[in-house]
Amino acid sequence: GDSVTQTEGQVTVSESKSLIINCTYSTTSIAYPNLFWYVRYPGEGLQLLLKVITAGQKGSSRGFEATYNKETTSFHLQKASVQESDSAVYYCALALPNYNVLYFGSGTKLTVEP
Amino acid sequence: DAGVTQTPRHEVAEKGQTIILKCEPVSGHNDLFWYRQTKIQGLELLSYFRSKSLMEDGGAFKDRFKAEMLNSSFSTLKIQPTEPKDSAVYLCASSLGLGVYEQYFGPGTRLTVL
Repeated sequence: GDSVTQTEGQVTVSESKSLIINCTYSTTSIAYPNLFWYVRYPGEGLQLLLKVITAGQKGSSRGFEATYNKETTSFHLQKASVQESDSAVYYCALALPNYNVLYFGSGTKLTVEP
Repeated sequence: DAGVTQTPRHEVAEKGQTIILKCEPVSGHNDLFWYRQTKIQGLELLSYFRSKSLMEDGGAFKDRFKAEMLNSSFSTLKIQPTEPKDSAVYLCASSLGLGVYEQYFGPGTRLTVL
């Protein structure tokens, strides 16, 4: 089946430091999936952070970046300098082309310390 | 535009009861999803509707879970009978439809089954 793996359940980073949250995916489809990062800020609902639907391309939003790597089947989320306001739970997800169901990773809780 | 609304926000049920959760998608959206979120299983699809037609009913949840779209602007999720293992957060999401992949999530209903 189709699945997404996030290896870190929790990550703590000091403000202004760099961040990487790992995500790898697996699919039985012959088509390349569409990849997403969703985020849940404290007290808010789940919302889209960024998406990439073409293998090899990079998506970016709010200072975060993720590159779709079909060779390593990865879609790691990175930020050069985190802020306290980035503290949230981040979910990596995939969807098959022309089929909108999202398959989510288990989520990574990011805590940014002042 | 109003976002996705879900009611109630919290529900407490006794084992064996029937409960109905409600969802109003974003106006004009054609796709509607029900997901369940637990700490152990993460986010799992329960049902997926496209233009009110059931596209996927999340296999393992067929037994006691039934989602319906009564019209394009209202959906319900019935759990009958409830079991303690159904305690979770139930999320409703909607999206414009084919070719557009961002899903807009509601705040969720937290269900506790005693």
